[in-house]
Amino acid sequence: SSELTQDPAVSVALGQTVRITCQGDSLRSNYASWCQQKPGQAPVLVIYDKNNRPSGIPDRFSGSRSGNTASLTITGAQAEDEADYYCTSRDRSGTVVFGGGTKLTVL
Amino acid sequence: QVQLQESGPGLVKPSETLSLTCTVSGDSVSSGAYYWSWIRQHPGKGLEWIGYIYHSGSTYYNPSLRSRVIISLDTSKNQFSLKMTSLTAADTAVYYCARESDYYSSGSYYTWFDPWGQGTLVTVSS
Repeated sequence: SSELTQDPAVSVALGQTVRITCQGDSLRSNYASWCQQKPGQAPVLVIYDKNNRPSGIPDRFSGSRSGNTASLTITGAQAEDEADYYCTSRDRSGTVVFGGGTKLTVL
Repeated sequence: QVQLQESGPGLVKPSETLSLTCTVSGDSVSSGAYYWSWIRQHPGKGLEWIGYIYHSGSTYYNPSLRSRVIISLDTSKNQFSLKMTSLTAADTAVYYCARESDYYSSGSYYTWFDPWGQGTLVTVSS
């Protein structure tokens, strides 16, 4: 079982803002990164470090952390943002862990 | 542009050993700036980190798989490889290689994977 907990599914209306969360004790000290995975494709990094976006990732994607919760916010969600999103961090032993993933539906 | 490409058999028999290779282009596995990782995804499920290797040859494995996994480097070919022994049907998954960035600063770890290979499906079946 993952030490990072994500809601299995979230939906958002087209153009609205959605927050995808990731909870875990290790996030009180470590920062999460986020990747996006579309069906049949490899994951793609969307947020890393505290709140940085790789080249080519739209600025509607942003990251934050509060307490034991990391968040990925999409401001003005687009149809192409429909995908699975995974958070990544290290647990207390130093092992890399992934959240269980959140399936985002854009209505 | 950095690219990673997995290669290896798509079908392996139970109890046998899986061998996969990741070929890196646009970066060097010898550079020391990154870790080189393997990650898998069971059908319809989430991601599971298998382990990484550093340019020095040092490795770190997921404790749940440590007894069955070896990751190695071939700097002459700019590749790194995964060997997993004693396969069962539970090892059926898409296996990805990825470049891992990892650093520690002011009491916090920062970890991310970029880029990823396209993934290769490995089915364990007789």
